[in-house]
Amino acid sequence: RKEVEQDPGPFNVPEGATVAFNCTYSNSASQSFFWYRQDCRKEPKLLMSVYSSGNEDGRFTAQLNRASQYISLLIRDSKLSDSATYLCVVCFMDSNYQLIWGAGTKLIIKP
Amino acid sequence: DAGVIQSPRHEVTEMGQEVTLRCKPISGHNSLFWYRQTMMRGLELLIYFNNNVPIDDSGMPEDRFSAKMPNASFSTLKIQPSEPRDSAVYFCASRTGGGPETQYFGPGTRLLVL
Repeated sequence: RKEVEQDPGPFNVPEGATVAFNCTYSNSASQSFFWYRQDCRKEPKLLMSVYSSGNEDGRFTAQLNRASQYISLLIRDSKLSDSATYLCVVCFMDSNYQLIWGAGTKLIIKP
Repeated sequence: DAGVIQSPRHEVTEMGQEVTLRCKPISGHNSLFWYRQTMMRGLELLIYFNNNVPIDDSGMPEDRFSAKMPNASFSTLKIQPSEPRDSAVYFCASRTGGGPETQYFGPGTRLLVL
C-alpha cells in the first residue's frame, strides 16, 4: 500500500461548479500536510498548507481528518484556470521531515 | 529573487551516453532535493542533501545514478550510462531549515534518452 494515495482522476467539472477530492495517508505519525498544484509541463508549487482546524484561502478550503487519516481539498466556483494536477503531500515525523508525495489528481474545468 | 535554477531545461541523448543535470538552489536554503517525475510513477525522491551532505539516497535507482553537492550553491545529478527508461522530468528543489517547511522547485530538466 502506498503511503499517500490519491484518485488520479481526471475530474471533469463544469466552470462554476464545486469540486472536492481527498487524499489518504497510511502513517499515523504524520505531522504536516500540504496541497501543491502542478500545471502541465511546469514544476509543483505550494497551493496551501493544511492545518488541524482546517483552513480557507479564497475559493479553496483544506480539511484534515486525523481519525480517518485523510485530507481534502474543496474548490468553490471553479475557474478554467484551476485546471491542473493537485498533489497531496504529507510530512512524517519519522522520515527526517521529508515530504511524501501523492501521485496527484488531475482536474479539468470545462467551459 | 532568483528561484531554483536548473540546467539544461531539455536534454536529448542516446542510450549509453553520460548525462549531467545541474541545480543551483535558492541562496540561504540548506536542504536540496532531487526528484524524478514520470507518468507511471509520479514524483519520486531520488536523494536529499542537508548542508551539502547526502542524508538519504535510498531513492536512487541504481549505481548508474550519482549526485554530488560540492558547495551550498551547486549540485549535480549524473546518469552514466543512460538508458531509455531514465527518460523523465528531473526536478531539483530546495528548502530552508530542518523542519517540514515547504520546498521550492526548479523548472525541471526534461530528459529523453533514445
